[in-house]
Amino acid sequence: DAGVTQSPTHLIKTRGQQVTLRCSPKSGHDTVSWYQQALGQGPQFIFQYYEEEERQRGNFPDRFSGHQFPNYSSELNVNALLLGDSALYLCASSFQGSRETQYFGPGTRLLVL
Amino acid sequence: GDSVTQMEGPVTLSEEAFLTINCTYTATGYPSLFWYVQYPGEGLQLLLKATKADDKGSNKGFEATYRKETTSFHLEKGSVQVSDSAVYFCGYSGSARQLTFGSGTQLTVLP
Repeated sequence: DAGVTQSPTHLIKTRGQQVTLRCSPKSGHDTVSWYQQALGQGPQFIFQYYEEEERQRGNFPDRFSGHQFPNYSSELNVNALLLGDSALYLCASSFQGSRETQYFGPGTRLLVL
Repeated sequence: GDSVTQMEGPVTLSEEAFLTINCTYTATGYPSLFWYVQYPGEGLQLLLKATKADDKGSNKGFEATYRKETTSFHLEKGSVQVSDSAVYFCGYSGSARQLTFGSGTQLTVLP
């Protein structure tokens, strides 16, 4: 049973560029959440997707956007990158019937220079 | 606002020592409570959870009890191993169905 997968594992960008991160949920899961984890901090909730719509959003600017596909996979897009966007981006999946138990992927480490 | 406060680290223990990591939360309603563990270079792994008051979550020798009267969910283990070295995050999920985490506690267990 494949767990949550994310790609790429590492990414280096420069300020002002745009980036797309990808996530495939655990088999049987239909809800995807994205988190940003700065170095030495706990993860911060960005947004959650279910039925291809954004259902919840944390305190992040609209430079952060996402998408969910019919197969439940998801993308996180960040525009106009800032140095402060450097972080580990974590995807978590869950099943609608038990949305509270979220299972995390290994993350994508983004470095903005 | 809603938040989670964790015991500050780092915590260093000898193998077979007793572990406690304190966690308190501020949230409305009846949130579910979680402990996740993060090994170096990896994502978060669910360690245990409790969904209502007085529930005890347990896994791999770790335990935590949901104490609504003290809004706490302290993590304990009777005898830690070197392999338990990691960062531990306390979190909760409320009506918004999103996880809110503490800042994490780094645990190092020495042989």
